[in-house]
Amino acid sequence: DGGITQSPKYLFRKEGQNVTLSCEQNLNHDAMYWYRQDPGQGLRLIYYSQIVNDFQKGDIAEGYSVSREKKESFPLTVTSAQKNPTAFYLCASRPGTGGNYGYTFGSGTRLTVV
Amino acid sequence: QKEVEQNSGPLSVPEGAIASLNCTYSDRGSQSFFWYRQYSGKSPELIMFIYSNGDKEDGRFTAQLNKASQYVSLLIRDSQPSDSATYLCAGGGTSYGKLTFGQGTILTVHP
Repeated sequence: DGGITQSPKYLFRKEGQNVTLSCEQNLNHDAMYWYRQDPGQGLRLIYYSQIVNDFQKGDIAEGYSVSREKKESFPLTVTSAQKNPTAFYLCASRPGTGGNYGYTFGSGTRLTVV
Repeated sequence: QKEVEQNSGPLSVPEGAIASLNCTYSDRGSQSFFWYRQYSGKSPELIMFIYSNGDKEDGRFTAQLNKASQYVSLLIRDSQPSDSATYLCAGGGTSYGKLTFGQGTILTVHP
């Protein structure tokens, strides 16, 4: 079955630690996105990528980094510079950046600072 | 600031009633609009999309778009307790396929 796999489902980060969230898709989608969801605030865009080896900052990119070395993979690193990382992180993809396509979402990673 | 605003919630309706969820947007360049349903602790799932003025029906769901008024709505007929969830409105234009999401409306359908 085609879809997006995010791992881990739950992640705990200590102060000053970098952590990486995995996002893998087998939908052959070109575009991939990372969103953060906080209670009552909807989804906010962190980073997005249209094609391999290219990505752009979203609205809240500070303290985060990404890579897009393969079409299928778009990992997100939450660095120690992100002072309030506790949130629900969602990875999404769509076939391309044009057209009337909605996103397909992964199941999410819930990150907590301990 | 390009924004999508959803009507304040939470919304509570009795089983069998029509639930009406509303959304306004500020970016006139937005061309497509999407409604996602998100159950507690889960990721959003797409339930409707619309890009032409007027109504679009799919089962118990009807999406409405009025580009002149920059207004999008979702009607859920014969609401069921299983419809209880947060509903997210999202709009997108041609900018890298990015979608801008509203803050969500919590819907509760009580028996």
